[in-house]
Amino acid sequence: GENVEQHPSTLSVQEGDSAVIKCTYSDSASNYFPWYKQELGKRPQLIIDIRSNVGEKKDQRIAVTLNKTAKHFSLHITETQPEDSAVYFCAATLYNNNDMRFGAGTRLTVKP
Amino acid sequence: GAVVSQHPSWVICKSGTSVKIECRSLDFQATTMFWYRQFPKQSLMLMATSNEGSKATYEQGVEKDKFLINHASLTLSTLTVTSAHPEDSSFYICSARANLRGQTQYFGPGTRLLVL
Repeated sequence: GENVEQHPSTLSVQEGDSAVIKCTYSDSASNYFPWYKQELGKRPQLIIDIRSNVGEKKDQRIAVTLNKTAKHFSLHITETQPEDSAVYFCAATLYNNNDMRFGAGTRLTVKP
Repeated sequence: GAVVSQHPSWVICKSGTSVKIECRSLDFQATTMFWYRQFPKQSLMLMATSNEGSKATYEQGVEKDKFLINHASLTLSTLTVTSAHPEDSSFYICSARANLRGQTQYFGPGTRLLVL
C-alpha cells in the first residue's frame, strides 16, 4: 500500500516569510494529492489538492507542486500570517480509490 | 456545500460501557465514509472504510468486534465503541466522500472520547 512521509514535523517562520512543507510517496500509481489544514481541536480542512496530470497548482498565497518522477510534492505558503498557524497534513491516493494515506503532519507556527 | 456533522462532539463514559458516534453528510450523498482515530499531536490513522449497504472494511490491527460500524443510509454512518476502556480514549473523526465529487474527503468536527 501507499506510504507517505512528511517533513518537517515542525516549522516556525516569521510573519511575511514563506513556508514550505514536503511530502514523498511510495506508490507510483497514486494520482491525487490533497493538503489539509487542521487547527487545534478542529476538523481537517481541505486547502488545496492536485492531480498527477499537472505539475503545479496555485490558489492565492498557497501553491502545491508535484514531481511524479521523484514521487514528491510540496506545499508552499507565501506571505505567511499568524492565522496560518496550524498542523498541515499531506495525503496521497488513487483518484476514486478508498485508500488515502496521510503524512505525519507539520506543525506550522507563524510568529508575529 | 459538502458539510459533514458528527455527534456527539465529546463524551465521557465509564470503562465497560459502549459509545455510539454518528457521522452525517448534510448536503450530499456519500456511499463511502471513513473513520479515523487521532491521538494528541499525531496524524490521522484510518480505522475503517464504511460503505453504504455493505460491511465495513477494517484496517489491519483494528478490531471489528470492538469498533462496530454501520452505514445504514447514504447520509449516515455510525461507529460504536463497545466495552470501552481507557486506552480507547482518543479523538475520532469521520469523513465522507461525495459521490459526484471524486476523491475529496470532507471531515466531520470530530468526537473526543474520554473513558474513565
